[in-house]
Amino acid sequence: DTGVSQNPRHKITKRGQNVTFRCDPISEHNRLYWYRQTLGQGPEFLTYFQNEAQLEKSRLLSDRFSAERPKGSFSTLEIQRTEQGDSAMYLCASSTYDEGALCFGPGTRLLVL
Amino acid sequence: QKEVEQDPGPLSVPEGAIVSLNCTYSNSAFQYFMWYRQYSRKGPELLMYTYSSGNKEDGRFTAQVDKSSKYISLFIRDSQPSDSATYLCAMRVNAGGTSYGKLTFGQGTILTVHP
Repeated sequence: DTGVSQNPRHKITKRGQNVTFRCDPISEHNRLYWYRQTLGQGPEFLTYFQNEAQLEKSRLLSDRFSAERPKGSFSTLEIQRTEQGDSAMYLCASSTYDEGALCFGPGTRLLVL
Repeated sequence: QKEVEQDPGPLSVPEGAIVSLNCTYSNSAFQYFMWYRQYSRKGPELLMYTYSSGNKEDGRFTAQVDKSSKYISLFIRDSQPSDSATYLCAMRVNAGGTSYGKLTFGQGTILTVHP
């Protein structure tokens, strides 16, 4: 399967714990995005990478959130000291330089107890 | 007020009906418009992608953009039970560079097509 993959698909954690999610984009896509989607809402932009450079971050991305894309391949999103309000679906997407259309992964569903 | 407004529904139609889904927006800088379909507990998948005003047809799906009214639509002809999903409109500005993939989504409309 050459689509965007995300791991884990589900994560349950206790408040205050740290969690890390991984995204593997489509191999020829050099742009990678993280979005967050809460129940009954559309996805909201979090951050964006072109190759290994993080070029834009949303104000939604507090200092507890950090994203990396070493070597411009896979990406990780870490949430430190999780809060119940962090419970959401975290979606990764990728695209090529010349396309505006994003290909989304299946998402990682986070539940913070 | 949100930049993109979309009626969340839910919308329930019989199989074979024509479905009309709509979004309005306030940012006149939006130039690229998309419709995504999202099945329960899955990621969104791209259905239609259009630039500026006009119509685009792909099989049973037709996307319309009216920039003067800041209004976009998706029509589904001969709807099938497999079309049951949440439909998300999305749009972005033409800033190039860092804003290239920064999409603003509507809330999503839940559609059920019953046999």
